[in-house]
Amino acid sequence: AQSVAQPEDQVNVAEGNPLTVKCTYSVSGNPYLFWYVQYPNRGLQFLLKYITGDNLVKGSYGFEAEFNKSQTSFHLKKPSALVSDSALYFCAFKAAGNKLTFGGGTRVLVKP
Amino acid sequence: GAGVSQSPSNKVTEKGKDVELRCDPISGHTALYWYRQRLGQGLEFLIYFQGNSAPDKSGLPSDRFSAERTGESVSTLTIQRTQQEDSAVYLCASSLGRRYTEAFFGQGTRLTVV
Repeated sequence: AQSVAQPEDQVNVAEGNPLTVKCTYSVSGNPYLFWYVQYPNRGLQFLLKYITGDNLVKGSYGFEAEFNKSQTSFHLKKPSALVSDSALYFCAFKAAGNKLTFGGGTRVLVKP
Repeated sequence: GAGVSQSPSNKVTEKGKDVELRCDPISGHTALYWYRQRLGQGLEFLIYFQGNSAPDKSGLPSDRFSAERTGESVSTLTIQRTQQEDSAVYLCASSLGRRYTEAFFGQGTRLTVV
């Protein structure tokens, strides 16, 4: 079955340090990949997407992600994490159609 | 409206009762998605609509769950004979319907079955 995997349930990072949230995909063809964030008691918000072209995509709130076809990965990164980045992050994909499927999520905790 | 609207925001129901959850997508969005999120868990795909038809309803957990969409607008998710394991937040999202477009989410309906 086609899927995305987020191997870490939780990532802890100190404020000001780089943040990486991992996502690997098992999708045939050319997947369209997305990152979403869910802040406490708030809805999901779109961060960024990879469709085609440049492997490095930039999104909201200073986040970026790199599409790596050889490693089938689409890791989310931020050079300097803020306490306010503490949230639940989801990787998602669309395969051939328009169905949007999510990974299990990674909780990020940024400590002051 | 400006965003995806879901109603009610909270629903407490007795086991065995039927419930209807409503989703108003962003105007002009042809694709509409329903997900279930249990406390602290990921998003479980239920069904999605392209226009008024549902190309993929594979995520509906049982025949107690059904969904419909009319006029390429409002959608309702109906759960019949609710069970305690149905307790969760039900999230709706909509998009422009192209494969490359992102989906926008509503705030969800928190369903509690007692």
